[in-house]
Formats: sequence, structure tokens, C-alpha cells
Amino acid sequence: GAVVSQHPSRVICKSGTSVKIECRSLDFQATTMFWYRQFPKQSLMLMATSNEGSKATYEQGVEKDKFLINHASLTLSTLTVTSAHPEDSSFYICSARDFLLAGGPYFFGPGTRLTVL
Amino acid sequence: AQKITQTQPGMFVQEKEAVTLDCTYDTSDPSYGLFWYKQPSSGEMIFLIYQGSYDQQNATEGRYSLNFQKARKSANLVISASQLGDSAMYFCAMREWSTGTASKLTFGTGTRLQVTL
Repeated sequence: GAVVSQHPSRVICKSGTSVKIECRSLDFQATTMFWYRQFPKQSLMLMATSNEGSKATYEQGVEKDKFLINHASLTLSTLTVTSAHPEDSSFYICSARDFLLAGGPYFFGPGTRLTVL
Repeated sequence: AQKITQTQPGMFVQEKEAVTLDCTYDTSDPSYGLFWYKQPSSGEMIFLIYQGSYDQQNATEGRYSLNFQKARKSANLVISASQLGDSAMYFCAMREWSTGTASKLTFGTGTRLQVTL
């Protein structure tokens, strides 16, 4: 099946630094990718929809200046957490769908666990 | 109102038995899709099964089947012959087509399934 990779899988950083997370679709093209955040024992909450070649669409309450999204190609989207703080510590997961497959499933990356000290 | 409702925070099932995980949804869109994902402790989201709103038959994928009752707006997941490896969080999700080709998934709160010997 389709594969989505995410890098890094884990990152620990100091408060105030920025962290970049990459999401790649390995064997299909994705004009749209999705970024989710999941706190412990909670569901996935959509943060933003990443659109290739255009601006991302952010969900209500998500700061677009804090969570920068770039979707430079049909196989790569990046999420940058700027000036990270301990409350940004979470599990970040990206998702993508093969746009050539109408009705196809959404595939998820393995996730990135961010810990901000 | 919640779009996806999973009323069972936790379920236990004995190995080799069948188990049903409940999911109800709320939408006015005539065209939608329902998904089930499994999330083991590693955090990855594993696609299990998909049901389209216009599909005439209930979806099946190996030991997974979806009991789709459109009038009741329910899409319960049935796992037959449970295995220890089925222990995980299970999420029900919906995509509404009216939101366009970049339509996002909305997730329920999840059900934690524990398979016992």
C-alpha cells in the first residue's frame, strides 16, 4: 500500500527553538496533505491542510505564524513549529491521499513525537 | 454537535471472540465516506476499512467488517476472531465530499480495545 514517511520520529528541543518536521509521500503524489496533533490519550486534531503550491488552510484556533507549513512539491510537506514551548509538546502526524484515486484511503505517517524542555 | 461519536472509551474481548466497536456520525452531506483506523502503542495510524455512503454492501477486509446502517447513521466495526495483536486504539473517521477534493477527515474520540487470553 501507499507509504507516507515522517522525519524525525522523535525530537527533543529547548524552549524557544524551532523544529521542522517533514512529511513525504513515497510512492504517490499528494496535492493535499494534512497535519494533525495528538495529545496523550486523545484523538487526532486537525491543525491544517497543506496545499501544494499555495497557502495552507488552518483550523480555527491554530496559529499560522507559529505552525508554518510549506508544501513545495507533490510529495513533500513540512511543518515548522516556531519558538516552541513546553505546551507544544505533542505527537504530530501527517496524512496524505493519492489524488489520482477517487475515494481512496488517507495514509498516515508514523508520527513525530516532539518534546520541548 | 459531534460529527463522529464513539461511545465506548474502552472494550475488552477474549482472544478468538468477535467484538463490535460502535461509531455514529452526523452529516447532512449525501456523499460521504467512513473510515476505521487502528493506532497501536507505537502511534502509527493503520487504515483498516472504508465505507462509502452510496455503497450498497457492507465493506469487508479480512477479519474486519463494517456494519453500515445508513438510516441510523452508524458504522460499527466488527473484528472477528480477535487476536492479541488487535489490542490498540481504534478510531472512526468521516470525510464529507461537499468540502471538496481536499476534504479532511474528522475523527471520533476513539475506543481502546484490549484482547485478553
